[in-house]
Amino acid sequence: DSGVTQTPKHLITATGQRVTLRCSPRSGDLSVYWYQQSLDQGLQFLIQYYNGEERAKGNILERFSAQQFPDLHSELNLSSLELGDSALYFCASSPGTSSYNEQFFGPGTRLTVL
Amino acid sequence: EDQVTQSPEALRLQEGESSSLNCSYTVSGLRGLFWYRQDPGKGPEFLFTLYSAGEEKEKERLKATLTKKESFLHITAPKPEDSATYLCAVADNYGQNFVFGPGTRLSVLP
Repeated sequence: DSGVTQTPKHLITATGQRVTLRCSPRSGDLSVYWYQQSLDQGLQFLIQYYNGEERAKGNILERFSAQQFPDLHSELNLSSLELGDSALYFCASSPGTSSYNEQFFGPGTRLTVL
Repeated sequence: EDQVTQSPEALRLQEGESSSLNCSYTVSGLRGLFWYRQDPGKGPEFLFTLYSAGEEKEKERLKATLTKKESFLHITAPKPEDSATYLCAVADNYGQNFVFGPGTRLSVLP
């Protein structure tokens, strides 16, 4: 158990809908990272927040957005969903600002878009 | 652009048959190279961080090594519970990006 929690575990929705995924980092960690993992793309970095501020952006679509709240939990919002958005979404946390600290991953949210 | 490749894509070993997994990387100033283990449907589990060429780290049956262009994960006398996908990732000097390789899927047969 990494100490990172994610909810929900599974999410099934339809194309065009909007969903919110939630992540709570390990106690004391200030950075939260979001990743998407699909069968054909591997693990893709989406975005990083550090202590409430956006720190780095990866391959995140404009339809996706994230935020980190004062209690350090983070939410990833996915809108206008398409079939291709079906994937596992992971959240990770680390204590520092930079990605060269090891990251600890949550169990993931499996999103299925029908 | 930072790039990470891993080979082989899949590897089947008999229990006790030692082998190595390769991670080759291209990065603008390596800040750290990371190894993770991932079981199906679960989040990656951190194994090692390597920071400079020549560095080695060990944990049970696993040993990770680093050169200027690649890293190896050596598995000595593997057991069936070592079956998983092993992921390699790099962080560059900008510390802004964390790039994962596609992984090596390891199966250890009893």
